[in-house]
Amino acid sequence: DGGITQSPKYLFRKEGQNVTLSCEQNLNHDAMYWYRQDPGQGLRLIYYSQIVNDFQKGDIAEGYSVSREKKESFPLTVTSAQKNPTAFYLCASSITGANTEAFFGQGTRLTVV
Amino acid sequence: DAKTTQPNSMESNEEEPVHLPCNHSTISGTDYIHWYRQLPSQGPEYVIHGLTSNVNNRMASLAIAEDRKSSTLILHRATLRDAAVYYCILRVVAGGTSYGKLTFGQGTILTVHP
Repeated sequence: DGGITQSPKYLFRKEGQNVTLSCEQNLNHDAMYWYRQDPGQGLRLIYYSQIVNDFQKGDIAEGYSVSREKKESFPLTVTSAQKNPTAFYLCASSITGANTEAFFGQGTRLTVV
Repeated sequence: DAKTTQPNSMESNEEEPVHLPCNHSTISGTDYIHWYRQLPSQGPEYVIHGLTSNVNNRMASLAIAEDRKSSTLILHRATLRDAAVYYCILRVVAGGTSYGKLTFGQGTILTVHP
């Protein structure tokens, strides 16, 4: 099936540890996105990438890092510098352009203890 | 970036039409208006999008004001499965520092009563 896959669905980490969230798509999309969602809140953009080997900071990039070495993959690392990492993380992809829809993964719920 | 404003919440009865408004007074001439919805603990789902003309698909209709400063998502007959958070967002066309950016607001929580 074509789609966008995030893994794992639930992730637990100790405070101070870096953690990498996986996002893979087989839709041949150029654009990929990472969002953070806190309880009862909307989605906030962390990073986005329009093409391989290029990415831009979103509205809340501090404490996060990404890479885009392959078209299919856009992993997000939550570093120890992120003050409140516990959240629901969502990845999306789309064809580049404003006249196209974005497809979202099912999310990863990260809990840092 | 152009912003959108939506009511925090709305309620509807099952099988009645629902009109979800969105204001985007700073929209630029070539921004597309997109709507997504999100069920609890799931990723958002695309609903519909448009530029100037009204749009219809199997899920909903999108009515866009003539001046494009507002739009309305129309669910013709609400069902319990339509209860979700609905997001109205503007998607930026090519060029400029916000190219490709896909920014969500707070959305409208739609409650559907049986």
